[in-house]
Amino acid sequence: SQQGEEDPQALSIQEGENATMNCSYKTSINNLQWYRQNSGRGLVHLILIRSNEREKHSGRLRVTLDTSKKSSSLLITASRAADTASYFCAIMNTGFQKLVFGTGTRLLVSP
Amino acid sequence: NAGVMQNPRHLVRRRGQEARLRCSPMKGHSHVYWYRQLPEEGLKFMVYLQKENIIDESGMPKERFSAEFPKEGPSILRIQQVVRGDSAAYFCASSPLSLRGTYNEQFFGPGTRLTVL
Repeated sequence: SQQGEEDPQALSIQEGENATMNCSYKTSINNLQWYRQNSGRGLVHLILIRSNEREKHSGRLRVTLDTSKKSSSLLITASRAADTASYFCAIMNTGFQKLVFGTGTRLLVSP
Repeated sequence: NAGVMQNPRHLVRRRGQEARLRCSPMKGHSHVYWYRQLPEEGLKFMVYLQKENIIDESGMPKERFSAEFPKEGPSILRIQQVVRGDSAAYFCASSPLSLRGTYNEQFFGPGTRLTVL
C-alpha cells in the first residue's frame, strides 16, 4: 500500500507543550504535505516539503523529511488549545497528481 | 479570492436515489480532485480532472459513480442509486496549472456530507 501511516494515532498534551507526529510511507515521493482537519470540517493545508528538502518551518510548525527512512515528522511547538484537531500527512508520488493520505493523528491540547 | 466551494454542504438521500455534488475550484485553477472520507478514516483519492478531461479515475468505484468537469461551470460528482455505504464526506480540491514536472499543493473545499437513509 502507498498509504502513509501516522504515529501516534492519538496524542493528548497540555497547552505549552510540544507535539510531535510522525508519518511513514513506502514509495518514492515527489513531495509530502501535512494537513489539519478540525472535527467535521474541511482540510487546511499546513506545509508542503519536496523530496529534495530536509526541513521546513512555518510559524510554530516544523516539518522534517528523511527520504532514506521514508519518514516525516511534524512538530508543533508551544501548543495551544486551538491546535486540537486531526493531522494528516499526504504523499504525492512522482508522476501522479493525486494525494495519498495517512490515517491521521488526533491531537488533543488541554488548557 | 474565494476558496474552493462545494455545495451542498449536507445532502440526505434515500437508497436508490441519485446524489449530485458540485465543486467550484479556486479562480485560476484548472485541476480538480475528488476525495472521499469515511468516518474516522483518512481521505481516499477518487478522481482527477482537468477541464473536459478525466486524467486519473483510478480511485473511482467501477459502477454508479461518475465525474465531470465541463468547459463552463462546476465539477460534478454523480452517484447513482446510492447505498448506505456511500455515506461519507466528499471533498473536492483544486490546484493551478502545473508546469511539466512540478507538483502543487491542493486547496480543499469544506466538503459535502452525504447521508444515505
